[in-house]
Amino acid sequence: GAVVSQHPSRVICKSGTSVKIECRSLDFQATTMFWYRQFPKQSLMLMATSNEGSKATYEQGVEKDKFLINHASLTLSTLTVTSAHPEDSSFYICSARDSGSNQPQHFGDGTRLSIL
Amino acid sequence: ILNVEQSPQSLHVQEGDSTNFTCSFPSSNFYALHWYRWETAKSPEALFVMTLNGDEKKKGRISATLNTKEGYSYLYIKGSQPEDSATYLCAFKSYGQNFVFGPGTRLSVLP
Repeated sequence: GAVVSQHPSRVICKSGTSVKIECRSLDFQATTMFWYRQFPKQSLMLMATSNEGSKATYEQGVEKDKFLINHASLTLSTLTVTSAHPEDSSFYICSARDSGSNQPQHFGDGTRLSIL
Repeated sequence: ILNVEQSPQSLHVQEGDSTNFTCSFPSSNFYALHWYRWETAKSPEALFVMTLNGDEKKKGRISATLNTKEGYSYLYIKGSQPEDSATYLCAFKSYGQNFVFGPGTRLSVLP
């Protein structure tokens, strides 16, 4: 089946550091990738839709300048948390989808970000 | 903001028991509903893609039904096994919108 690789799986860093998370589709081309954030005991909250070759579409309330998304190829999207602060600590997970808006999403393993 | 609910939040069953849980979603503008299984330390895995009212899907001991008119989907597990222990997520999509995930039902199957 389709595989999505996400790394790093865990990051612990100091406040003010920028952190880059990568999401790769390994065996299919993903024109669209999604970035989610999950707070404890809550559902996956969509942050943004990453579109290959164009600007990402951010959900309401998500700061574009804080969470930079780059989708430079059909197999790679990156999320950079800029100048991270403790309130950015969370679980971030990406997904990719084959062509067709009704296709199921293939998820990465997620990244646990802890900002000290 | 669309409201997708799942119940119960968590449940514990004995090995061999059958169980079911619910995903509730808005009954208007339905496009699709997906079910995912999310095991600890793994990534969510797609179980079912459901698009039509009355859909019934089955994969082994797991099956799902869909009622778009009343806005709910049931997931059934027959003869639960410890390896079924996971969080089960549903995701609802309306026309022109992205999928919205429910909070999940955490299932623990005790040997």
